[in-house]
Amino acid sequence: EVHLVESGGGVVRPGGSLRLSCAASGFTFDDYGMTWVRQVPGRGLEWVSGINWRGSSTDYADSVKGRFTISRDNAKNALYLQMNSLRAEDTALYYCARLRAKVAWHYMDVWGKGSTVIVSS
Amino acid sequence: EIVLTQSPGTLSLSPGERAALSCRASQSVSSNYLAWYQQKPGQAPRLLIYGASSRATGIPDRFSGSGSGTDFTLTISRLEPEDFAVFYCQQYGSSPVTFGQGTKVEIK
Repeated sequence: EVHLVESGGGVVRPGGSLRLSCAASGFTFDDYGMTWVRQVPGRGLEWVSGINWRGSSTDYADSVKGRFTISRDNAKNALYLQMNSLRAEDTALYYCARLRAKVAWHYMDVWGKGSTVIVSS
Repeated sequence: EIVLTQSPGTLSLSPGERAALSCRASQSVSSNYLAWYQQKPGQAPRLLIYGASSRATGIPDRFSGSGSGTDFTLTISRLEPEDFAVFYCQQYGSSPVTFGQGTKVEIK
């Protein structure tokens, strides 16, 4: 069965850093692009970042460009999101999702359950 | 950036009724690369439709998608109790990927 499990969320002060991880199983990881999408509780979905199948192409929302870095380790079936210079407005539930293509942005056919990030002093 | 506007914000219907959800794009969506997702409280989104009209694996045929260019519709032919949720459209024809703000389908 296909699974995505996020980890690494928590409470961090403004200006701090956090690294999210997403462990993939049940499919050939390097056949797919991957992405991060976030959601403030009670609000809508916001695309954050995407990466192609081999990690050579990445894309970011303007709201996180220059602060967040997406990466992947195909040998470990893992996706990462390094978040620096965190702001209160980054507080959200962060979903890892599989893209139905090898590129850095497409539609998402498998989602994890999410990892919560809270930025607060 | 393509802005997606969903309407109505909330749809109050009874089981067995038909639901029609609209998603309008601020500019034409390339190759009709538009997807629909369903999200229930406390759960991750679930893919329903991709390519504007193709049903994802395991999605019942009461869900259908239509439209092209800037106007898209998700139709649920007869609402089942488990269908009440929030629905989002998403365009993936150009970067950045964008989502609509969502339509809540609630029990009347």
